[in-house]
Amino acid sequence: GAVVSQHPSRVICKSGTSVKIECRSLDFQATTMFWYRQFPKQSLMLMATSNEGSKATYEQGVEKDKFLINHASLTLSTLTVTSAHPEDSSFYICSARELAGGYEQYFGPGTRLTVT
Amino acid sequence: RKEVEQDPGPFNVPEGATVAFNCTYSNSASQSFFWYRQDCRKEPKLLMSVYSSGNEDGRFTAQLNRASQYISLLIRDSKLSDSATYLCVVNKPDKLIFGTGTRLQVFP
Repeated sequence: GAVVSQHPSRVICKSGTSVKIECRSLDFQATTMFWYRQFPKQSLMLMATSNEGSKATYEQGVEKDKFLINHASLTLSTLTVTSAHPEDSSFYICSARELAGGYEQYFGPGTRLTVT
Repeated sequence: RKEVEQDPGPFNVPEGATVAFNCTYSNSASQSFFWYRQDCRKEPKLLMSVYSSGNEDGRFTAQLNRASQYISLLIRDSKLSDSATYLCVVNKPDKLIFGTGTRLQVFP
């Protein structure tokens, strides 16, 4: 149980374009999903907390107009990186917390974004 | 000071060895604690939750000392497949804060 999928697993895009990443909880409902970014040899950095049916809460320093988050259902959240630049190249990972669970989060396999 | 601090390692140990990782956290209000494992270029996976009374899962034992704000993970009889980065994770209060991880390399 507690499986989270993420799509695409890898994407290469040109500078200035937008990229959408999907995160799905496959076998449970998740009122809350989280989006992280991880640069090489660094820890996961929380970008935003996504709650179903409401606006996402962004961490300090994360531009909400650049990283658009939508959490339309209890099993799907999307992250759109708008007007991507090479410095946005990173490993983006989503996680989900079960509706009736504790604080543990289950992670998707991640999306490796490369902006050229 | 980082909210969750870990020795980055690497810890290089032979198969069969016992190895211990430590972690300290700064938020005394934290209530939930976890160890996650992350393989290179992969997502973190929950290894185990950490309970006040200490808990064990096979070869893995986790301990929590609330007074010292200290968490530990002990791995007995190390396997080659245990090679990974181990992340100490603490809640604050509605999100998780990750340590930078301790890298373990088990050699034959």
